[in-house]
Amino acid sequence: DAKTTQPPSMDCAEGRAANLPCNHSTISGNEYVYWYRQIHSQGPQYIIHGLKNNETNEMASLIITEDRKSSTLILPHATLRDTAVYYCIVRVYFGNEKLTFGTGTRLTIIP
Amino acid sequence: NAGVTQTPKFRILKIGQSMTLQCTQDMNHNYMYWYRQDPGMGLKLIYYSVGAGITDKGEVPNGYNVSRSTTEDFPLRLELAAPSQTSVYFCASSYPPSGGASNEQFFGPGTRLTVL
Repeated sequence: DAKTTQPPSMDCAEGRAANLPCNHSTISGNEYVYWYRQIHSQGPQYIIHGLKNNETNEMASLIITEDRKSSTLILPHATLRDTAVYYCIVRVYFGNEKLTFGTGTRLTIIP
Repeated sequence: NAGVTQTPKFRILKIGQSMTLQCTQDMNHNYMYWYRQDPGMGLKLIYYSVGAGITDKGEVPNGYNVSRSTTEDFPLRLELAAPSQTSVYFCASSYPPSGGASNEQFFGPGTRLTVL
């Protein structure tokens, strides 16, 4: 599976959009981009995933560049409850079901 | 639905002791997983199972054993506890892949284990 690079930490003002970048320059054609988050010491929570098209759900939007070498997770109106560690993961479908977590980005929402 | 439940929440073991971490899910998921998370690090996969009677190793299986006799339960066994196994253990479950992508994994609240 391709490796990912994320900034270790970011701050965002409450009510503003939080944009979390992820580089995955070695991603291959059959690998998906997944985002999970971990609030405090709880179990990780799925946010969104995509292959090459931009995706949106009730939690967030995922923007994947045309060359698929990077992506951005967007939380449109960040709240204090969005303070968490965010993990960007790439994984191949035709393989085992491993999720390989890096160290993620610690997002802090500032009141 | 209770989702994924784990017991115990906390445990302190002495070196060489054994214990079983319990994991149960009520979502009828075929796939189940065990991860460990060391302080300041991401999660690492220990073992996973794609159905009752089928298990496979993940990234860090040494020192652990699993079994899967039912769809609902996926216990993790530590036979001879070592300080290096001090960690937070998360169990997760999911449906099989569909539409070319993996289904989301649902995580339990974790078991915090300390080995002294």
